[in-house]
Amino acid sequence: DTAVSQTPKYLVTQMGNDKSIKCEQNLGHDTMYWYKQDSKKFLKIMFSYNNKELIINETVPNRFSPKSPDKAHLNLHINSLELGDSAVYFCASSQDWQRSSYEQYFGPGTRLTVT
Amino acid sequence: KQEVTQIPAALSVPEGENLVLNCSFTDSAIYNLQWFRQDPGKGLTSLLLIQSSQREQTSGRLNASLDKSSGRSTLYIAASQPGDSATYLCAGSGANNLFFGTGTRLTVIP
Repeated sequence: DTAVSQTPKYLVTQMGNDKSIKCEQNLGHDTMYWYKQDSKKFLKIMFSYNNKELIINETVPNRFSPKSPDKAHLNLHINSLELGDSAVYFCASSQDWQRSSYEQYFGPGTRLTVT
Repeated sequence: KQEVTQIPAALSVPEGENLVLNCSFTDSAIYNLQWFRQDPGKGLTSLLLIQSSQREQTSGRLNASLDKSSGRSTLYIAASQPGDSATYLCAGSGANNLFFGTGTRLTVIP
């Protein structure tokens, strides 16, 4: 059974389009995250949600909007895609956001290519 | 802001050799330190998590240590195998965030 799943795995689209990436976890975790891994393989957090509420929002353009319909899902919607948005986007989850139980489990990633 | 550095960026070793991967962080007030493995085109697999109150964790051939005072963590891999070839990432946690290093790409030569 897949613990953290993302769809699609690959996404190729043109500049200016709007796209969404879906994430689901079946671990019963309260907290979910979105990370971006750039071309240099550096991973950086974008958003974090705990029980459907936003707790981290790093300096990410407003074109990126996360949506959490329930605590098992955290979707990422991107408006007006730009070339610089090309990257691999990872979803992750953890039991909660408290420091002592912070092991994170990652999805397989979504490779976004903007042409 | 926490900064995490991993040295070396790449490492090649012959099969069977023991090896150490290094991770350093700037803010000693981390809450825990997590080591991940990333295979090409794949997601991250959690290997070991060391709580701030612990000094090391072991899982099979892997041993991770944490020295908060010096801002360092090491991942020791014993008797390396070709299947260990991957990129290894360390990440230090802040209050509710993870700060990743840039990784060490390990190649174990048969």
